[in-house]
Amino acid sequence: EAGVTQFPSHSVIEKGQTVTLRCDPISGHDNLYWYRRVMGKEIKFLLHFVKESKQDESGMPNNRFLAERTGGTYSTLKVQPAELEDSGVYFCASSRNGYGYTFGSGTRLTVV
Amino acid sequence: AQRVTQPEKLLSVFKGAPVELKCNYSYSGSPELFWYVQYSRQRLQLLLRHISRESIKGFTADLNKGETSFHLKKPFAQEEDSAMYYCALSGKSRDDKIIFGKGTRLHILP
Repeated sequence: EAGVTQFPSHSVIEKGQTVTLRCDPISGHDNLYWYRRVMGKEIKFLLHFVKESKQDESGMPNNRFLAERTGGTYSTLKVQPAELEDSGVYFCASSRNGYGYTFGSGTRLTVV
Repeated sequence: AQRVTQPEKLLSVFKGAPVELKCNYSYSGSPELFWYVQYSRQRLQLLLRHISRESIKGFTADLNKGETSFHLKKPFAQEEDSAMYYCALSGKSRDDKIIFGKGTRLHILP
């Protein structure tokens, strides 16, 4: 089975620009999660989808971040406008039943 | 507050020496504890979880509820163990998110 796929793997953008990250979960996994690791800090939860619904978005830092999962398949995470402190590695994970996450390889976002 | 603390950012150990990566947690209730590992240029992956009580790649971790610790141990380090290790916890409900520590980089010296 294909794993969790994220792209791009790297993105460098200027402050104020918009970036959209994409995550393709494992086929059949209803649960999809976004996490972020900012340099020197822990990997922090952003949000959790069950199919197309947001189950928990308590970790979203502010309204510059918008996550969608139309149709319950792939998900996008848009940052608009990006700020310097948004730099970090964004991880996506999926799970069939809420247990046993499989992580993607992450997107390294650098805002300059 | 729910929190995972890994006190060491970097741990350097000689090949063949014992390894212990420390992890303490704070959680109101009975969490599930995990260790995740990220090898160079690879994705984050589950190493072991406390409920399975298994040994993976020679690593073990015992949950000590009294000390709220879940230290990761291996008796003899190997060079291929060099990686970033994250301790993590979750509630037992399928809707509970995973909370990670800041991670410890393990460097095995030849």
